[in-house]
Amino acid sequence: DIVMTQSPDSLAVSLGERATINCKSSQTILYSSSNKNYLAWYQQKSGQPPKLLISWASIRESGVPDRFSGSGSGTDFTLTISSLQAEDVAVYYCQQYYNTLPTFGQGTKVEIK
Amino acid sequence: EVQLVESGGGLVQPGGSLRLSCAASGFTFSNYWMHWVRQAPGKGLFWVSRINGNGVSTRNADSVKGRFTISRDNAKNTLYLQMNSLTADDTAVYYCARDMSLSGDDPRFDYWGQGALVTVSS
Repeated sequence: DIVMTQSPDSLAVSLGERATINCKSSQTILYSSSNKNYLAWYQQKSGQPPKLLISWASIRESGVPDRFSGSGSGTDFTLTISSLQAEDVAVYYCQQYYNTLPTFGQGTKVEIK
Repeated sequence: EVQLVESGGGLVQPGGSLRLSCAASGFTFSNYWMHWVRQAPGKGLFWVSRINGNGVSTRNADSVKGRFTISRDNAKNTLYLQMNSLTADDTAVYYCARDMSLSGDDPRFDYWGQGALVTVSS
């Protein structure tokens, strides 16, 4: 199995400030033939199911605010919230789909400082 | 509007069985791979099982292999998860989720149900 490890486990950021979440995979999730990274990011607010934010490491899904961005390649990835809003309080998960048996990171809780 | 609605959760004793259902609407159900993902209380997401559009191809996580069976009835637009030999470690909210990759080759989940809570306890 591909193990996904996120850091930090939690972070507190002031409103309007940048939040950065890291995700590391135990092996590359970059498919060399397509040059695509098989990584997604989800947001889960309290009491709700997860919501898909980003696919292919950096492609925002329709309707996702542009303050959310994804970057990285190979084994190291980052989700950045450029200007944290109150509605962004949530747990964020990365997920690899390089292996057709998907695995998730343990989650990063984002709170307001 | 795409909707996924789980049902069938509840309290079951260790060693018992339960069947979850997920009623789908708002899309052509038979075109999509479907998955079950669970979340233990206060914990992260864990992929459990998947099934292709016609129900022929299925796969389970190792931790549920031989105990859980995923199936679907495309005439009823419904996904199922039959869970047998349940243990306390199976206690979780179980989500059904639609795979947005029509091929199943790059599974990520664009729609999720609200979840069904399964509690395994004596």
